[in-house]
Amino acid sequence: DIQMTQSPSSVSASVGDRVTITCRASQGISSSLAWYQQKPGKAPKFLIYAASSLQGGVPSRFSGSGSGTDFTLTISSLQPEDFATYYCQQGNSFPLTFGGGTKVEI
Amino acid sequence: EVQLLESGGGLVQPGGSLRLSCAASGFTFGSEAMSWVRQAPGEGLEWVSGISASGAGTYYTDSVKGRFTISRDNYKNTLSLQMNSLRAEDTAIYYCAKVTTRGWFFDYWGQGTLVSVSS
Repeated sequence: DIQMTQSPSSVSASVGDRVTITCRASQGISSSLAWYQQKPGKAPKFLIYAASSLQGGVPSRFSGSGSGTDFTLTISSLQPEDFATYYCQQGNSFPLTFGGGTKVEI
Repeated sequence: EVQLLESGGGLVQPGGSLRLSCAASGFTFGSEAMSWVRQAPGEGLEWVSGISASGAGTYYTDSVKGRFTISRDNYKNTLSLQMNSLRAEDTAIYYCAKVTTRGWFFDYWGQGTLVSVSS
């Protein structure tokens, strides 16, 4: 199975900050990676697929990069509605696996 | 508008069975792969099972193989998950999720249904 490791597990930030979250795969997954945002009590929201492609309707302050084993999610200027937990997920092979999550808090 | 509505969750004793359903609308259900993803209380996301658009291909995480069965009815636009031999560690919110056309990612999610396994 491919293990997905996110870091940090939590980050404290302020409105306007640039935030970067890292996701590492235990083996190469090409660009088969997605990012999700989840707020308490809500279902996850799809943000980015194929490592760097923004899903429609997602603000352009979100961006993704990387390929192979190392990936990043960047929020260029944190907004109040961005405080949430973020997960990466590999779609390269079954079983599909998620990272442990990164909580972005004030 | 894509809508996914799960049902069937509840409290069940260890060793018991439960069947989850997901009613889909707002897209051509028979053309899209689907999945179940779960989240234990206070924990992260865990993919459980997936099924191809036709239903010919089914996939499971190791911990549920032989106990859970995913299926779909493309005439009724319904996804199901039959869960047998339930364990305490299966306690979670179970989400129905639509798989994207760009790979095995999840672009739409239901609101989830809670499964609690306890005596």
